[in-house]
Amino acid sequence: TQLLEQSPQFLSIQEGENLTVYCNSSSVFSSLQWYRQEPGEGPVLLVTVVTGGEVKKLKRLTFQFGDARKDSSLHITAAQTGDTGLYLCAGYSGAGSYQLTFGKGTKLSVIP
Amino acid sequence: DSGVTQTPKHLITATGQRVTLRCSPRSGDLSVYWYQQSLDQGLQFLIQYYNGEERAKGNILERFSAQQFPDLHSELNLSSLELGDSALYFCASSVDPFMGTGELFFGEGSRLTVL
Repeated sequence: TQLLEQSPQFLSIQEGENLTVYCNSSSVFSSLQWYRQEPGEGPVLLVTVVTGGEVKKLKRLTFQFGDARKDSSLHITAAQTGDTGLYLCAGYSGAGSYQLTFGKGTKLSVIP
Repeated sequence: DSGVTQTPKHLITATGQRVTLRCSPRSGDLSVYWYQQSLDQGLQFLIQYYNGEERAKGNILERFSAQQFPDLHSELNLSSLELGDSALYFCASSVDPFMGTGELFFGEGSRLTVL
């Protein structure tokens, strides 16, 4: 089983601050996804990164896939209270792989 | 609303009992996934079906079983329940599981409490 380690596990910041969360593995993934989960709901996809070194931006969120396709980061600029939630990274191990493996997540709290 | 429907939303039962969780995928999605989410283990992949056939198996206990029916809905059966089986069980569906980049659409989950 390929493992994805996320750090930090918990993060509490003030509104307006910047933050970065990380997703690391010793294994290569064909693609990595980031999901956000709010209490009482299922995870919702934010982005998929496929190419090593790829950077994708979604408004104030910037996602990067490592060159070796073993790690990824999510940077949030000027965090807002609406960003509060559990951020999960997930990876497909290869072409034809049906199993999406999730990390344990980073629980983000943005305080007004 | 993801389009994936799970029932029941909440379930409380006793150790040793058996329960069935039901999932209806998004219209047109042939692939269904089951995940278990607990505080200490995170989101654990259990099993995946595509068009009625089992395609991938994860950390699913022998006491658990699942199937996907011809109308594409799926059921997860949990038997001989133990306290440690208390968790959120999520169903997800996708259009094409073969590309290795597909988005999973999750239901709202079924919260199982075993007393």
